[in-house]
Amino acid sequence: EVHLMESGGGLVQPGGSLRLSCTASGFTFSIYSMNWVRQAPGKGLEWVSYIYTSSSTIYYADSVKGRFSISRDNAKNSLYLQMNSLRAEDTAVYYCARSGYYPEYWGQGTLVTVSS
Amino acid sequence: QLVLTQSPSASASLGASVKLTCTLSSGHSSYVIAWHQQQPEKGPRYLMKVNSDGSHTKGDGIPDRFSGSSSGAERYLTISSLQSEDEADYYCQTWDTGIIFGGGTKLTVL
Repeated sequence: EVHLMESGGGLVQPGGSLRLSCTASGFTFSIYSMNWVRQAPGKGLEWVSYIYTSSSTIYYADSVKGRFSISRDNAKNSLYLQMNSLRAEDTAVYYCARSGYYPEYWGQGTLVTVSS
Repeated sequence: QLVLTQSPSASASLGASVKLTCTLSSGHSSYVIAWHQQQPEKGPRYLMKVNSDGSHTKGDGIPDRFSGSSSGAERYLTISSLQSEDEADYYCQTWDTGIIFGGGTKLTVL
C-alpha cells in the first residue's frame, strides 16, 4: 500500500526557517517524481514545487521561488522542503504527492504556522 | 495563461447524480486534467485523469459511480448514486511547467 507521511511542521516566526520531510513507503520511491502542494486555512490547493526522480529537474511556484528548496534522498525514500524567509502567507497545511504531472497519491499533510 | 475554472458550489440529493465542470482557458482545450476529491479535514484523494477525447483513467479503488468525460474545453466529473461521503471539495488540476489547480467546487449532498 502506498503511504506518504509528512513531518516537520510547526509554529515559526516570520523570517524563520523550517524543513519539512515526507517519508514514502509501499512503492519504489526512486522512480517517481514528487510534488509539494499546500493549502492555506479555508482556501484551495496551491502547488509549491516539483522534483524529478533524479533531482535533475526542479520547478517552483513564483510565490516561493528563491525562498524554498526541494530535495530528495532516494536511498532514504524521503522528500524534503527547506523553507526559508517564511512569511505569514506561507501558513498552510503542506502535502507531499506522488507522481509528477498528475499526483496519484497524497499524504495527510503537516501544518506550518508562521506567526509572531 | 492556462487557467482552470470551476463553479464554487454544487448540490444534489442523496441517490441522485451530479456533473461537475472544469473549463480550460482559451487555447488550451487539448489539455489533460485530473480530478481530486478532498473530504472535510482530510488530505486530497486522486480520482481520475480525463483526456480531451473523453477517455479517463481512474485511481486505485475509485468506485464505478465516478466517471469522467470531455466536450471541447470542458472536462466533467459525474458522480452517480450520490452518497453522504461524496460531500467534499472537488478540484480539477493540470500541468504546465508546474501543477495548476482550479478553485474547487464544494459539493453538498442534500
